Amino acid sequence: DAGVIQSPRHEVTEMGQEVTLRCKPISGHDYLFWYRQTMMRGLELLIYFNNNVPIDDSGMPEDRFSAKMPNASFSTLKIQPSEPRDSAVYFCASSHRQGGWETQYFGPGTRLLVL
Amino acid sequence: AQTVTQSQPEMSVQEAETVTLSCTYDTSESDYYLFWYKQPPSRQMILVIRQEAYKQQNATENRFSVNFQKAAKSFSLKISDSQLGDAAMYFCAYRSEGAQKLVFGQGTRLTINP
Repeated sequence: DAGVIQSPRHEVTEMGQEVTLRCKPISGHDYLFWYRQTMMRGLELLIYFNNNVPIDDSGMPEDRFSAKMPNASFSTLKIQPSEPRDSAVYFCASSHRQGGWETQYFGPGTRLLVL
Repeated sequence: AQTVTQSQPEMSVQEAETVTLSCTYDTSESDYYLFWYKQPPSRQMILVIRQEAYKQQNATENRFSVNFQKAAKSFSLKISDSQLGDAAMYFCAYRSEGAQKLVFGQGTRLTINP
């Protein structure tokens, strides 16, 4: 079974541009998470969905960030306009309750650099 | 709010030796889950081992085992017979029962010396 798929793996853009990160969760998983990893703040949860519905977006830094999940197999995280401080690695993860466990499986991440 | 602390920013060990990575957490809850994730240079976050708080028995996965001390709120990871492929950042994480959010520690960078 394929793991969580993220694209692009690397993104370099200029300040002010729109950035869209994409994620395909593991088939059958009903939770999807977006995390951001920086040296200063470590790994932090931005938002998560359950059955395509956003449940907790309290980690979204500001209105420049938005996330959607139009169906069970696809999600996007959009930054508009982007700023240099948005430079980070963005991870998508998915999970499904099995045997009493809900373990999050992570994608390879997207390394974003905003110049 | 729960917090997770990894007090060792860096650790090193000789190949084939045993190393223990420390993790403590702060919570007022009695039911929760604990995880160790590994992040190699590829940046992929890989689940290493997991533990339910209600289980007294320590989890084991091949060369990886944990020492879970619930009263002390401690969850250390022991790696036996260290291999070069074990070199990575290791993150301890906490999740409340019934919640989805993972709270991560700051990470420990493990170096394996040949």
